[in-house]
Amino acid sequence: GQQVMQIPQYQHVQEGEDFTTYCNSSTTLSNIQWYKQRPGGHPVFLIQLVKSGEVKKQKRLTFQFGEAKKNSSLHITATQTTDVGTYFCAGRGHDYKLSFGAGTTVTVRA
Amino acid sequence: DTEVTQTPKHLVMGMTNKKSLKCEQHMGHRAMYWYKQKAKKPPELMFVYSYEKLSINESVPSRFSPECPNSSLLNLHLHALQPEDSALYLCASSQGDIRGDTEAFFGQGTRLTVV
Repeated sequence: GQQVMQIPQYQHVQEGEDFTTYCNSSTTLSNIQWYKQRPGGHPVFLIQLVKSGEVKKQKRLTFQFGEAKKNSSLHITATQTTDVGTYFCAGRGHDYKLSFGAGTTVTVRA
Repeated sequence: DTEVTQTPKHLVMGMTNKKSLKCEQHMGHRAMYWYKQKAKKPPELMFVYSYEKLSINESVPSRFSPECPNSSLLNLHLHALQPEDSALYLCASSQGDIRGDTEAFFGQGTRLTVV
């Protein structure tokens, strides 16, 4: 089955700075989803990307899906303390299974 | 109602015990999932039910036994677990069947400790 790699594993960010987390799949994906899990919480859906080259924005969050549908990124601008948590990408392969990346755990320095 | 409800929230069980985890959703979702999540790790898929039928079993040991009594309920029966099975068990649901390109709604999880 497909494997979804995600980097970096940890991101320590100064409040107000930007950062990006990246996902790469070993195989072409049907779609990719992004989730956020706050400490002690459960994964919460952020967005889904389906089309090759797709870009979607949610306020300070920008999500991209690569042209080959094998990679994706999440870029957060002007990081706030509310952005703390672990961000997971989850790729759906053609076997319909949703495979989660290892996650990027974000901490914010005020 | 956009919630997936899991009970209990916490469970401590001995290795010889039998217990069950319960999951309920009233969103009309037809796909339901069990995931296992260890600390600082991503969720790992265990089982998928689509239209109340088991569609995917990710080679999970038989000491975990899923059950889908109806379209709103999903259970996970536990028997003779090992300490390494201690984890957060997450239930999720999504609209349509597993081929649908829709988001998964996760419950808050059951934090299981096997002693």
